Amino acid sequence: QVQLQESGPRLVKPSETLSLTCTVSDGSISSYYWSWLRQPPGKGLEWIAYIFHTGNTNYNPSLKSRVTISMDTPKSQFSLKLSSVTAADTAVYYCAACGGDCYTVDHWGQGTLVTVSS
Amino acid sequence: QSALTQPASVSGSPGQSITISCTGTSSDVGGYKYVSWYQQYPDNAPKLMIYDVSSRPSGVSNRFSGSKSGNTASLTISGLQAEDEADYYCSSYTSRSTHVFGTGTKVTVL
Repeated sequence: QVQLQESGPRLVKPSETLSLTCTVSDGSISSYYWSWLRQPPGKGLEWIAYIFHTGNTNYNPSLKSRVTISMDTPKSQFSLKLSSVTAADTAVYYCAACGGDCYTVDHWGQGTLVTVSS
Repeated sequence: QSALTQPASVSGSPGQSITISCTGTSSDVGGYKYVSWYQQYPDNAPKLMIYDVSSRPSGVSNRFSGSKSGNTASLTISGLQAEDEADYYCSSYTSRSTHVFGTGTKVTVL
């Protein structure tokens, strides 16, 4: 079972960059596609981006201009950067894994609430 | 990409069957066999219940089943139990190799 843990600042100021890291604990960093998703309080889920260890990435078209996903294979970590944040970016951010060609998001981290506020 | 459309709420009595619909387009639900369903309890991460339209991960009750017709996918919960009360989300792979989620359905066990 893949184990994932999100980490990063829980409070970000408007117009700044949100940065989160996900640590994969079972050494499977090269075996899956790795995704970030989010869920604003009381609202639905939104897929943000994925990355594979080969460097292959894909982004939600509605967020693409502000998002960067990257991976540090030796550290078994992958990261999310979301620039120019506003209150609308306040959400629980989840890191997750999908196997195969990433048709399904299989395994989820516990999520971390990030609040955008001055 | 627009969110897939789900009913806001569905309810049923213990032992009954309920069905949740998930409507998309030919660029997502209708175009691929990669529809998933997730169960989410308050303040918890989603849990995968169905993948590839109708397959169940190991450990998921066979009371949960999935199907698809055209641009609409469905999740059926048979023999409804109190523990099934949760939010349910569908998701589909898309023509852009992205993922799109449904609007979510709150299931209430009466």
